[in-house]
Amino acid sequence: GAVVSQHPSWVICKSGTSVKIECRSLDFQATTMFWYRQFPKQSLMLMATSNEGSKATYEQGVEKDKFLINHASLTLSTLTVTSAHPEDSSFYICSATSSGGGDTQYFGPGTRLTVL
Amino acid sequence: SQQGEEDPQALSIQEGENATMNCSYKTSINNLQWYRQNSGRGLVHLILIRSNEREKHSGRLRVTLDTSKKSSSLLITASRAADTASYFCATDGWGKLIFGTGTRLQVFP
Repeated sequence: GAVVSQHPSWVICKSGTSVKIECRSLDFQATTMFWYRQFPKQSLMLMATSNEGSKATYEQGVEKDKFLINHASLTLSTLTVTSAHPEDSSFYICSATSSGGGDTQYFGPGTRLTVL
Repeated sequence: SQQGEEDPQALSIQEGENATMNCSYKTSINNLQWYRQNSGRGLVHLILIRSNEREKHSGRLRVTLDTSKKSSSLLITASRAADTASYFCATDGWGKLIFGTGTRLQVFP
């Protein structure tokens, strides 16, 4: 139980294009989803927190107009990297918590974004 | 930065040996969690210890927490080659996880 999937698992795009990454909770309802970014050999940095049906809360230094987050249902959140540039190349990981699930966050497998 | 620090940054041991990783953090916490990440993969939750707990066990894992020193340790006993991965501590400050810098563990067969 408590499986989180991400799609795609990797994506390569040209500079200036937009990329959408999906995060789904497969067997539970995710009241809250989190988006993290991880640069090579570094730790995870929280980008934003999203609750179903409301606007995401972004961490300091994360541009909300560049990283659009939509949490339209209890099982799906999307992150869109708009006008991607090479410095946006990173590993993006989502996680989700369930209502009544306590403090544990369940992590997706991650999406490797490479911007050429 | 609120990010926690872990040491060592890298650890290489032989199969069968024990591995100890330490984590220090800066703010008050609700709980502290340890995760494992295989190269290029997502995170696997290992164990959660609450702020009012001092020690917790799960299989070959033993976690301690000292809130007065704002530190935690993860001990993996009788390590296996399959334990090779990066290990991260993460402090839960009321719903948000703040990850430590991580320890890269290499277990040689």
